[in-house]
Amino acid sequence: GDSVTQMEGPVTLSEEAFLTINCTYTATGYPSLFWYVQYPGEGLQLLLKATKADDKGSNKGFEATYRKETTSFHLEKGSVQVSDSAVYFCALSEPGGGNKLTFGTGTQLKVEL
Amino acid sequence: GAVVSQHPSWVICKSGTSVKIECRSLDFQATTMFWYRQFPKQSLMLMATSNEGSKATYEQGVEKDKFLINHASLTLSTLTVTSAHPEDSSFYICSAPRTGRLNNEQFFGPGTRLTVL
Repeated sequence: GDSVTQMEGPVTLSEEAFLTINCTYTATGYPSLFWYVQYPGEGLQLLLKATKADDKGSNKGFEATYRKETTSFHLEKGSVQVSDSAVYFCALSEPGGGNKLTFGTGTQLKVEL
Repeated sequence: GAVVSQHPSWVICKSGTSVKIECRSLDFQATTMFWYRQFPKQSLMLMATSNEGSKATYEQGVEKDKFLINHASLTLSTLTVTSAHPEDSSFYICSAPRTGRLNNEQFFGPGTRLTVL
């Protein structure tokens, strides 16, 4: 079945540092890929997505590129801020899967001054 | 953006009792909603798909008689944990996809923390 693997956290960075959170996936078809963010006390929010190979999703300075050859969708940001502290989830959805999402375990990011 | 609410945000109950959790889409209609369960430091596991006007579809290994789902209207789905036991303690999250002209986006509730004593 489908699965998503994320790097374990917590990841602790200083403000303005470069961020990478690794995500790899296993899927039977050609899935859409997503990054969701969960701020403390809030529900998951869609951060960015990519629907086909070589697509780059971007939002709020975050980027991720759909790499079919390495089955990866790593999340990057050039300069993190304290307000980026949250839990980040990588997820996939198979076409024709009825909007079902398969999630990774989540990676907690802590950004310090 | 679209909002999905859950009620209650946390609940503590005695073993053997039943607990109902509500999931509401506040500004859009959802014919389908999803219920997830999340254990500490683990991923969200899809439990079931709630379908308005028909029976829920449960994922493999999820007991449908224990986790009763009712999608009473286009904005409300409820999950009832029947005869709860300590192993049912978890974080329950619902989501609802909003169908748009260009794509569907899922909106998540803030979750309900269930503790069974």
